[in-house]
Amino acid sequence: DAGVIQSPRHEVTEMGQEVTLRCKPISGHNSLFWYRQTMMRGLELLIYFNNNVPIDDSGMPEDRFSAKMPNASFSTLKIQPSEPRDSAVYFCASSLNRVYEQYFGPGTRLTVT
Amino acid sequence: GNSVTQMEGPVTLSEEAFLTINCTYTATGYPSLFWYVQYPGEGLQLLLKATKADDKGSNKGFEATYRKETTSFHLEKGSVQVSDSAVYFCALIYNQGGKLIFGQGTELSVKP
Repeated sequence: DAGVIQSPRHEVTEMGQEVTLRCKPISGHNSLFWYRQTMMRGLELLIYFNNNVPIDDSGMPEDRFSAKMPNASFSTLKIQPSEPRDSAVYFCASSLNRVYEQYFGPGTRLTVT
Repeated sequence: GNSVTQMEGPVTLSEEAFLTINCTYTATGYPSLFWYVQYPGEGLQLLLKATKADDKGSNKGFEATYRKETTSFHLEKGSVQVSDSAVYFCALIYNQGGKLIFGQGTELSVKP
C-alpha cells in the first residue's frame, strides 16, 4: 500500500511567488496534518483536518498561508506571496482515528530566494 | 502549557555502544508519550509509545519507560548500529482529540 505522497519533493521559487504544496494521504485515513520543520523552530503543526474539515489552524503563521482539503484523498498548502523565511521542509501526515499514530510523507523542501 | 524537552544533539556513538536519549515533559494530567524517528531524507515514523505511567514501550531494540514521578520518557538501546543513525523526536499527546507536541529532536550518529 502506498504511503503518504507529497509533491513536489523540492521547490525553489522567488520571493513574492505563489507556492502550492500537495499531499495525498493514505487511503482510508480520516485525519491529515501539515507540519513545517526548520532548524530554528523544529517541527511545528500548521493545520489539522478531520474528515476533510479543518479542526485546528492555530499554527498557520499568517494570512499568506492557506490549506484546503476538497476531498478525502487530496490536500493543498498554499503560500501567497512567499517569503525567504518560509524556506523549510513541509511535511504532510495522515492517521486513522488515532491522532498519535501519524504516517508522514517524505516532505517538500521549499527554498524561497 | 504542555511541552517536551530533549537532550541536545548531536549524539555520536560507536557501533554496539549503549544509547540513552533523555526526554522530559511538562503536562497537565497524564499524557500519552511517544518516540518518533526520522531517517535521513524521510518523514517521521512512530517508533514506540506508552500510554500510562510505568508502561514500557519497545520496538526494534529500543525501549522507553513512562516515569510519572520524574516526568521522563528516556529512550534506550543496548547496542546501536550504524543504521540507527537518525533524528529522534520525543512527543506527547494530552488527549485523543489533542495535538501531538514534539520535542526539538536529537540527532544520533553511529560510527562503524
